[in-house]
Amino acid sequence: KNQVEQSPQSLIILEGKNCTLQCNYTVSPFSNLRWYKQDTGRGPVSLTIMTFSENTKSNGRYTATLDADTKQSSLHITASQLSDSASYICVVSAGGTDSWGKLQFGAGTQVVVTP
Amino acid sequence: DSGVTQTPKHLITATGQRVTLRCSPRSGDLSVYWYQQSLDQGLQFLIQYYNGEERAKGNILERFSAQQFPDLHSELNLSSLELGDSALYFCASSAGTSRAGELFFGEGSRLTVL
Repeated sequence: KNQVEQSPQSLIILEGKNCTLQCNYTVSPFSNLRWYKQDTGRGPVSLTIMTFSENTKSNGRYTATLDADTKQSSLHITASQLSDSASYICVVSAGGTDSWGKLQFGAGTQVVVTP
Repeated sequence: DSGVTQTPKHLITATGQRVTLRCSPRSGDLSVYWYQQSLDQGLQFLIQYYNGEERAKGNILERFSAQQFPDLHSELNLSSLELGDSALYFCASSAGTSRAGELFFGEGSRLTVL
């Protein structure tokens, strides 16, 4: 079972509207959580990285939240633009000494912004 | 531009063949990671190298191998190719040992096996 679950799988929003993507994880011990944006056929680009002590982090119109107690994170997109159409991937890094490179990737949420 | 360079961008080959994908990490980055992304699938971790040494292994097939050279560039070798190996192969790099460090991805190499 995937240790990082994202919802919804896909969504369509009108340009200018807001949306929120969800990420639930079971990775333990927890080190950090990242959100990436991946345009079709391109490499993922980092939006935010949050550690255990951080509740929220913003990057322009993107705001990520983290609740380490409930092991949930969300990514909020404000005033969406056509260029926001992409897959948004939640990635959780485990702590501990044997977690090198073993980032746990969610399957991504495909966002389509329509005019 | 992430600073991570991958070549070739596209590659078409036949089943049973062998190919080599190359990755140059960002200047100064010691860690290199390889990922596979099949059509409409999430990123699957293959292998990580740190300063020339293998550090972590994921779901990498025995037909696949990788190495990191003294100049820190890395190569992923895929042999006895099968149709199911068709995918985007991404390389990523990070500065060093911190798990909280930023991970930078290349633009990927698209492999098509016919």
